[in-house]
Amino acid sequence: ETGVTQSPTHLIKTRGQQVTLRCSSQSGHNTVSWYQQALGQGPQFIFQYYREEENGRGNFPPRFSGLQFPNYSSELNVNALELDDSALYLCASSMRVGEQFFGPGTRLTVL
Amino acid sequence: QQQVKQSPQSLIVQKGGISIINCAYENTAFDYFPWYQQFPGKGPALLIAIRPDVSEKKEGRFTISFNKSAKQFSLHIMDSQPGDSATYFCAASMKGPEKLVFGKGTKLTVNP
Repeated sequence: ETGVTQSPTHLIKTRGQQVTLRCSSQSGHNTVSWYQQALGQGPQFIFQYYREEENGRGNFPPRFSGLQFPNYSSELNVNALELDDSALYLCASSMRVGEQFFGPGTRLTVL
Repeated sequence: QQQVKQSPQSLIVQKGGISIINCAYENTAFDYFPWYQQFPGKGPALLIAIRPDVSEKKEGRFTISFNKSAKQFSLHIMDSQPGDSATYFCAASMKGPEKLVFGKGTKLTVNP
């Protein structure tokens, strides 16, 4: 059984650019949630996908969007990057109801 | 309403001592309370979790105490070890999309 994986590990972008982050969920998990963790803070919920549909969204603007694929892997897209988007982006997988298991994260730096 | 407050922000304990981290919540709809451990450069790892129908849960050296009436819960780490040095986050979620609401974290340092 493989755990949650994320790619890339690190990413540097400039303000205004667009970025796509990827997540492969743990085997058997059909739900993926994305979180943003600013330095020194707890993770903040961005949105959740269940069976390819968005299933809840946190207080993030529409330029944060996502996808879930039939194999339950997921992408997080961020358009028009701002300096404040610099953070660790975490993906967590779970069954529809249950414990969430996090990946190692993608460190995004916006210059 | 959605906030989870965590204290202390940092904690230094001697090897073999007890580490205690506290959290408080406001939203009575929360029904799942996990604790996560995070090492630098890593994602949070689920440590232990509790639901409000029990007042205590123990797994090895880690114990969650839960006080439903006070809307508080705490993590106790017995016989703390240097390898326990990490940042600990409490969290809470409710039915519906089970989004986790996290506390701000406690940086634990266990001195040898």
